[in-house]
Amino acid sequence: EVQLVESGGGLVQPGGSLRLSCEVSGFSFINYWMSWVRQAPDKGLEWVANIKDDGSEKNYVDSVKGRFTISRDNAKNSLYLEMNSLRTEDTAIYYCARRGALADYWGQGTLVTVSS
Amino acid sequence: EIVMTQSPATLSVSPGERVTLSCRASQSIDSNLAWYQQRPGQAPRLLIHGASTRATGIPARFSGSGSGTEFTLTISSLQSEDFAVYYCQQYINWYTFGQGTKLEIK
Repeated sequence: EVQLVESGGGLVQPGGSLRLSCEVSGFSFINYWMSWVRQAPDKGLEWVANIKDDGSEKNYVDSVKGRFTISRDNAKNSLYLEMNSLRTEDTAIYYCARRGALADYWGQGTLVTVSS
Repeated sequence: EIVMTQSPATLSVSPGERVTLSCRASQSIDSNLAWYQQRPGQAPRLLIHGASTRATGIPARFSGSGSGTEFTLTISSLQSEDFAVYYCQQYINWYTFGQGTKLEIK
């Protein structure tokens, strides 16, 4: 069974940092692009970033470029999102998703709240 | 940026009815379109990709059509579990979603 489990969300002040993790199981992690997709409270979906299977290529939505970094550890079947200089508009549920363009499996999400 | 526009925003329908949801792209995306379903409190679920190919395990009552800029998702006979929010997503130029169509019980 494919499983993706996010962790690391929480309350952080504007300008602060947070690191999200996603541990996967049930499929060969090393063979897939992976993504982070977020959803602001009662809003739609926004693709945040993706990373190639070997980590050699990374892409970001313009609004997070220079502030967020996606990475992975294939030995640990884990995906990460390092978020710096957080803004109130980054408040959202962050989902880890399998694949780079089509998200065929999703985690349950972790809530990030940026507020003073 | 390619803007995806879904209509209507909300649709009130009865179980058993046939329903069609629309999605329009601001420029041609060929068939690079996916549909997702999101039930309350849950993560989205991939329904359709390539505009018309059902994802693994998706019931046959869900079908997608269209190409270029106009797309539709049809649910042939609504079941109780189908009342949810549906999003379209293009993946030809980065990845952007429509704002969603909420199916509610009439």
